[in-house]
Amino acid sequence: QVQLQQSGPGLVKPSQTLSLTCAISEDSVSSNTASWNWIRQSPSRGLEWLGRTYHRSKWYNDYAVFVKSRITINPDTSKNQFSLQLNSVTPEDTAMYYCARGVAGAVEFDPWGQGTLVTVSS
Amino acid sequence: QSVLTQQPSASGTPGQGVTISCSGSSSNIGSNFVYWYQQFPGTAPKLLIYRINQRPSGVPDRFSGSKSGTSASLAISGLRSEDEADYYCAAWDDSLSGWVFGGGTKLTVL
Repeated sequence: QVQLQQSGPGLVKPSQTLSLTCAISEDSVSSNTASWNWIRQSPSRGLEWLGRTYHRSKWYNDYAVFVKSRITINPDTSKNQFSLQLNSVTPEDTAMYYCARGVAGAVEFDPWGQGTLVTVSS
Repeated sequence: QSVLTQQPSASGTPGQGVTISCSGSSSNIGSNFVYWYQQFPGTAPKLLIYRINQRPSGVPDRFSGSKSGTSASLAISGLRSEDEADYYCAAWDDSLSGWVFGGGTKLTVL
């Protein structure tokens, strides 16, 4: 069964870049039916979809409007993983970050990674 | 403020049924599939219902989903203590070109 394993630092300083990686098992980041998503959760803002990357003959990205100017999601085909970069972070970016797989027109956000608590603080 | 609106809490006694609602608009629930997730404290959300009323393998048939217009519902019958969790709805929003979630409903089994 598909598994997602997240990695990355749990503490980021304000104005710096948050970077997380999600390694994929039993599926391919290059799949033509899957999308690879980042979602975060905080007590104040609830669950928020941040964006996704997916391959349909070529690579595509979709980003949430509220982070579009600060976010990059990249696939890494050599390591079968994808990454999240969020620039210019502030304390409001403090949240639990999850990666999750979607399958177009079918099962969305299954499975999820284990989550990474990222705190933005000096 | 979440785009999809859920009641903050719901409760029931073992064996009873409970319904959790999710209200949206024509750009999300009104025109797209609805998904439901179950989350226990300290764990990642887990897919419970997809495409409005489909259950992934392993999800008991006590859980069912429905949609009417711009609202959706998750019904749980025969409540069990292990159903006590947070429940979230989600849908694609055509206007935002992104996924939106409800604020979550905390289910208490009395």
